[in-house]
Amino acid sequence: DTGVSQDPRHKITKRGQNVTFRCDPISEHNRLYWYRQTLGQGPEFLTYFQNEAQLEKSRLLSDRFSAERPKGSFSTLEIQRTEQGDSAMYLCATETGGAGYTFGSGTRLTVV
Amino acid sequence: LAKTTQPISMDSYEGQEVNITCSHNNIATNDYITWYQQFPSQGPRFIIQGYKTKVTNEVASLFIPADRKSSTLSLPRVSLSDTAVYYCLVGVPMEYGNKLVFGAGTILRVKS
Repeated sequence: DTGVSQDPRHKITKRGQNVTFRCDPISEHNRLYWYRQTLGQGPEFLTYFQNEAQLEKSRLLSDRFSAERPKGSFSTLEIQRTEQGDSAMYLCATETGGAGYTFGSGTRLTVV
Repeated sequence: LAKTTQPISMDSYEGQEVNITCSHNNIATNDYITWYQQFPSQGPRFIIQGYKTKVTNEVASLFIPADRKSSTLSLPRVSLSDTAVYYCLVGVPMEYGNKLVFGAGTILRVKS
């Protein structure tokens, strides 16, 4: 598989529950990014990894959010105690310094 | 990061050429201009990138005037499948940890 894979594609959860999303990047891409996109808006940056190191986090990433990238391969994004405002598409993207990112198809989260 | 301004939406018919203009008055000397395309329920997809004058690939052309304060994405002979949101971004693509800053984009609707 030559693309960025995200799992699950859709997630419906009750408010207050924890959710975890997974991103499997293109194998040779050492930079991995998480973005969040709400309806009618462009994606917003959340956090960024260079290999296994998390190098930057947006102010959008509250204490309820945590991201990991063990061994510099796949990455997970966890949201604890979900709120309705967390409902969005969560996108993973990878790149290796060339022109253009490769985005996954995203995980659509609905908090009810 | 330079801010960009694009039309909110555009309508076109199949077979027509579509030009989407983006304003970026505060573009920096090292900034490149990049366009992404996004279909519903998918992540953005890289279309084209340029620094000055004209760039063409198999999908689109990008025209950048000498002052670089604007750019125009040109899609030749659009089809229904070109209906999507198009984002214009400016930044330094090779910069370490370069995160993308998306605006709201331009919704292109192609009609038959």
